[in-house]
Amino acid sequence: QVQLQESGPGLVKPSETLSLTCTVSGGSIRSYYWSWIRQPPGKGLEWIGYIYYSGSTNYNPSLTSRVTMSVDTSKNQFSLKLTSVTAADTAVYHCARHIGASRAFDIWGQGTMVTVSS
Amino acid sequence: AIRMTQSPSSFSASTGDRVTITCRASQDISAYLAWYQQKPGKAPKPLIYAASTLQGGVPPRFSGSGSGTNFALTISCLQSEDFATYYCQQYYNYPWTFGQGTKVEIK
Repeated sequence: QVQLQESGPGLVKPSETLSLTCTVSGGSIRSYYWSWIRQPPGKGLEWIGYIYYSGSTNYNPSLTSRVTMSVDTSKNQFSLKLTSVTAADTAVYHCARHIGASRAFDIWGQGTMVTVSS
Repeated sequence: AIRMTQSPSSFSASTGDRVTITCRASQDISAYLAWYQQKPGKAPKPLIYAASTLQGGVPPRFSGSGSGTNFALTISCLQSEDFATYYCQQYYNYPWTFGQGTKVEIK
């Protein structure tokens, strides 16, 4: 059974870079698409972008200038970097899998809370 | 970006009720529509994709319908474990977008 687990600092200072990793267990990262989605406290869901196992990416235009995603197939992990963070980036960050570029998410990670504060 | 609008935003219901949540897209998305269930502090759980196809393991009391711009999620006989927030999501065009959520509470 494939499981996703997000990890990274829970507190990031304003203007710094948020870095998270999603570890895929119980299956291979190959042949799938992997997305990041965030949810500010008490609010709805926002898709940040995806990375294919080969390394190709697609980012939300609202965040594209600040987002970088990468993948490490040897570790079965993929990562998110979000630069120049502000309080508006405070959210639970989820990673999720989808089978194709135009397919719905079928597995989600539990999520990790990231607070932006000095 | 395609705007997804759910209604209602919240409502109260009793176990055994038949409930329907609607989702409207700001433009035609064919059947590229998914539904997710989320409970507090948990990851969203995939329920339906392609507007009407149940994800594996989802009870048949859940059903989805619609195409184009108007969609619905119906729970035929509400169970205690169904009290949660439900989100629709379009994956027709990037950026993928979600509805604002519908919270189903116990009456």
